Amino acid sequence: EVQLVESGGGLVKPGGSLRLSCAASGFTFSRYTMNWVRQAPGKGLEWVASISSISSYLHYADSMKGRFTISRDNAKNSLDLQMDSLRVEDTGVYFCAPPPEVAAAGTGYWGQGTLVLVSS
Amino acid sequence: DIQMTQSPSSLSASVGDRVTITCRASQGISHYLAWYQQKPGKVPKVLIYGASTLQSGVPSRFSGSGSGTDFTLTISSLQPEDVATYYCQKYNSAPYTFGQGTKLEI
Repeated sequence: EVQLVESGGGLVKPGGSLRLSCAASGFTFSRYTMNWVRQAPGKGLEWVASISSISSYLHYADSMKGRFTISRDNAKNSLDLQMDSLRVEDTGVYFCAPPPEVAAAGTGYWGQGTLVLVSS
Repeated sequence: DIQMTQSPSSLSASVGDRVTITCRASQGISHYLAWYQQKPGKVPKVLIYGASTLQSGVPSRFSGSGSGTDFTLTISSLQPEDVATYYCQKYNSAPYTFGQGTKLEI
């Protein structure tokens, strides 16, 4: 069964940093592009960043470029997101998301997400 | 970048109604379109991928269609448990943009 467990969220001041992690299991992690998706309070889903299977290609949403860094360790089935220069508007729940066909092979659900609160 | 536009942004319907939500891509994305359901206070769940392939366990009243730029999510007979916000997402190439969501109420 596909399982995704995010961690690393918390309260941080504007300008600060956080590193999020995602532990994946139940599928062949090393085969797939992985993503981070976030959801600000009361708002919709926003794609944040993606990393290809062997880290050859990294992509970021425009507002995250230069501040966020996505990485993965296929030996550990883990996905990370280093977030620097955090802004109040980065507040939200951050989800680790596999391709939809991978999520669909399990229950269809992502993990519970990890809450990032950027506030002074 | 390709933009994803969902309509309507909100929808109120009655139990038993046929409900259709549309998603339009600003450029062709072939069949690389997924639909997600997010119930209040819950984590998103993929309902459909490849524009029309239902996740196993999703009730057959849900269906997806379309290719290229125009896609639809249809609920053939609305049930109370279908109250949720529905999102489309393109996944042919980055950025893997979501639509703005459609809030469905009974």
